[in-house]
Amino acid sequence: EADIYQTPRYLVIGTGKKITLECSQTMGHDKMYWYQQDPGMELHLIHYSYGVNSTEKGDLSSESTVSRIRTEHFPLTLESARPSHTSQYLCASSLSKTEAFFGQGTRLTVV
Amino acid sequence: KQEVTQIPAALSVPEGENLVLNCSFTDSAIYNLQWFRQDPGKGLTSLLLIQSSQREQTSGRLNASLDKSSGRSTLYIAASQPGDSATYLCAVDLMNRDDKIIFGKGTRLHILP
Repeated sequence: EADIYQTPRYLVIGTGKKITLECSQTMGHDKMYWYQQDPGMELHLIHYSYGVNSTEKGDLSSESTVSRIRTEHFPLTLESARPSHTSQYLCASSLSKTEAFFGQGTRLTVV
Repeated sequence: KQEVTQIPAALSVPEGENLVLNCSFTDSAIYNLQWFRQDPGKGLTSLLLIQSSQREQTSGRLNASLDKSSGRSTLYIAASQPGDSATYLCAVDLMNRDDKIIFGKGTRLHILP
């Protein structure tokens, strides 16, 4: 059973608003990831972290930012949401070299 | 740069048939390979994890194999059921400085009742 949680599950927000997508895991995993996925399309890695105070940009350029102040928490922030940010955002975690687990995702719609 | 390819992109088979999904990767320096299932609009569910030193893993009707030297993995589904309809993704955990997980684009599987 994976103990990784994303909130909110669904979010509709107006253009220009600041938003934070939450991701928390209780498994003590050191590595955490954010992926972006449009409907029916592939996953794109946008951010990842090796541990506390470690953040790296992924393969897909993103205007979002992340932080890793605590092991269990890896929030993603958009300072000014735009319609082009509409997508599903998936968070994952793993211990190095072991099985990765995913949250249920946040479906973001910017109007 | 590691690339992960999944063939076919989509597959429809009648219920009850056995089927094989394929995954290939270009760089054999991996810690492990993982198969996931994704239902529409949902997150990913881990199905099987194969460590780089292993050849295969089994869970119920699922069997995954790994040939690291040739850069290939297969996911075998026995006696398919309509509930198996989903997108199946494989992912490799890279054994390099970046140590990140790279996904294939997935195979969309539809089991016909």
